[in-house]
Amino acid sequence: GDQVEQSPSALSLHEGTGSALRCNFTTTMRAVQWFRKNSRGSLINLFYLASGTKENGRLKSAFDSKERYSTLHIRDAQLEDSGTYFCAARSGGNYKPTFGKGTSLVVHP
Amino acid sequence: DTTVKQNPRYKLARVGKPVNLICSQTMNHDTMYWYQKKPNQAPKLLLFYYDKILNREADTFEKFQSSRPNNSFCSLYIGSAGLEYSAMYLCASRPGTGEDTQYFGPGTRLLVL
Repeated sequence: GDQVEQSPSALSLHEGTGSALRCNFTTTMRAVQWFRKNSRGSLINLFYLASGTKENGRLKSAFDSKERYSTLHIRDAQLEDSGTYFCAARSGGNYKPTFGKGTSLVVHP
Repeated sequence: DTTVKQNPRYKLARVGKPVNLICSQTMNHDTMYWYQKKPNQAPKLLLFYYDKILNREADTFEKFQSSRPNNSFCSLYIGSAGLEYSAMYLCASRPGTGEDTQYFGPGTRLLVL
C-alpha cells in the first residue's frame, strides 16, 4: 500500500493568506524532501529534512519521524506560489524515496 | 556546478521505435534515478543506479533499460516506444554523503505518436 499520504490534493488560497500541506507516513521514514513542480514540469527542491524544522522565506517545513508526518507551511501566499507541491520520503537504508500524489495550489488575487 | 542536465528536452518518437534519453551530473553523486511523470500523478520510479549497480522496479523491469558508463552519465533506453510512454522523464541524482537530497534535472518531455 501507499506509504505516503499527501493532503490536501488541491488547495485554493487568497493572496496574502497561508496554509499548510501535510504528508503522513504509514511507516517510519528517515528523511523527507519537499519539491515544487515548475512550469516546465521539473521538480525544484524546497527542503530536505532528517528532523526538526527548516525555514526559507515564506516557507517553513517540519518533519517528525516518530509521529510519521511532515508539513509544509506557506505564509503570505503570492501568485507565483501557484503550482504542484510534492513530498518524498524514504525509510532507513532505502535509496528509493516514495512520493506523495501532490498538492495542486492555486493562489488568486 | 550543482545541476543535473538532461538531453533532449523534448523528444518526438514513433510507436515501435527506440528512444534514448540522456542525463548527466558533475557532482560526483553516487546514485542516479529515472522517474516517469504523467499529469496529475506522482513521479513513478523506473530504475536507479547506486554506483554501478542497476536497480529496476518490478513493474517496469522489461520496459526500460539503462546504462551508466561512468559516474557522471546515465541513460534511459526504451526499445520499442508505445503510446503509453508519452510522459515527462525526470532524472535525479543523490550524493552518497552529507545531506541526502535528490537533485532533479529539467526533464525530457516525450511524445509518442
